[in-house]
Amino acid sequence: ETGVTQTPRHLVMGMTNKKSLKCEQHLGHNAMYWYKQSAKKPLELMFVYNFKEQTENNSVPSRFSPECPNSSHLFLHLHTLQPEDSALYLCASSQAGTSGGEETQYFGPGTRLLVL
Amino acid sequence: TQLLEQSPQFLSIQEGENLTVYCNSSSVFSSLQWYRQEPGEGPVLLVTVVTGGEVKKLKRLTFQFGDARKDSSLHITAAQPGDTGLYLCAGASWGTYKYIFGTGTRLKVLA
Repeated sequence: ETGVTQTPRHLVMGMTNKKSLKCEQHLGHNAMYWYKQSAKKPLELMFVYNFKEQTENNSVPSRFSPECPNSSHLFLHLHTLQPEDSALYLCASSQAGTSGGEETQYFGPGTRLLVL
Repeated sequence: TQLLEQSPQFLSIQEGENLTVYCNSSSVFSSLQWYRQEPGEGPVLLVTVVTGGEVKKLKRLTFQFGDARKDSSLHITAAQPGDTGLYLCAGASWGTYKYIFGTGTRLKVLA
């Protein structure tokens, strides 16, 4: 138990569906992240939110839409996904300092997404 | 584009053996982290190294950051089945919250 929870743990959706992934952190951190983990690629950073402001969008297609209503919650809204978007989506949080690059990221267990 | 290559990609060894995993890049990083990920879970941080040439020990695990801050190694002494998992290195650049993850090393330790 890392203090970061993700729901749902598993999701199957069609290409025309709209769904949302939810992440909640109970650690009092000020930065939250979305990562994509595919079988054939390294863990890829998708989005970074620092103090609820999006500070990083790593060239992610617009069919993925993040939302960070407060520092404890992070959502990833999904619409018209493709089969190649099937992957494990991981959320993480950290206490971002002023210099960056040395924080400990705490990861949730992930949502296993299958797009049919 | 910053890339972190890990080797080997897969490793299957017997309990009690020693092993080393490498993480290499042509880019310089301000810090480098090592994570272990078990099935059904997210990665868990093992260590952060921030100084070129730094060596850190965590029980049977020894981590080293290269002098030029471009590479790192993880050495496990007397591996145990509980060490089984996916090992990931991740590098960060100065002043950024953006971590680049390595390609991963999947380790299996047989009893």
